[in-house]
Amino acid sequence: GAVVSQHPSRVICKSGTSVKIECRSLDFQATTMFWYRQFPKQSLMLMATSNEGSKATYEQGVEKDKFLINHASLTLSTLTVTSAHPEDSSFYICSAGAPLEQYFGPGTRLTVT
Amino acid sequence: AQSVTQLGSHVSVSEGALVLLRCNYSSSVPPYLFWYVQYPNQGLQLLLKYTTGATLVKGINGFEAEFKKSETSFHLTKPSAHMSDAAEYFCAVSDGTGTASKLTFGTGTRLQVTL
Repeated sequence: GAVVSQHPSRVICKSGTSVKIECRSLDFQATTMFWYRQFPKQSLMLMATSNEGSKATYEQGVEKDKFLINHASLTLSTLTVTSAHPEDSSFYICSAGAPLEQYFGPGTRLTVT
Repeated sequence: AQSVTQLGSHVSVSEGALVLLRCNYSSSVPPYLFWYVQYPNQGLQLLLKYTTGATLVKGINGFEAEFKKSETSFHLTKPSAHMSDAAEYFCAVSDGTGTASKLTFGTGTRLQVTL
């Protein structure tokens, strides 16, 4: 299957700062990427759908001004958590959309202190 | 609207025993169904998927699942569990086949394999 990478794999930041997470599709062009959030021992929650060259579509209840998504190229989508707070600490996973499947990145563990 | 129910948040089996992880779905359109596995602090790996055609789907690592429309089920099985199968398993349903199709996940089942 296709390979999706995320960077960084782990990040610790202070409360009030912003952090950017990158999601790259390494061997195919992804017009659509997805961002998920996963709390400990829970399932994946879709946060937003990222479309290359256009605005992201956010799921209900997700603050678009807090979780900024940019999909500037067919191989890169970024999620910026702005003014992070401890409750934003979570495991963030991206995926790249393909026909009949999504390819998932390895995830980014965000800890806000 | 679509939903997925995974019965049993934890399943424990002995090494060599049958693995059965249950998944029931609800979908207003023909379902496209998936099973993913997640190891600690990692992303999701596709085990198998059902789109159309044969209802018994074989996947990686000896896993298989059968789509039963009448029972709205897509249970995952493996004849003989191995210690390396210990992980979190997620069943998911897609709202389409295109690149922008969304996945709805079940709550997951943690598989424990004991000696």
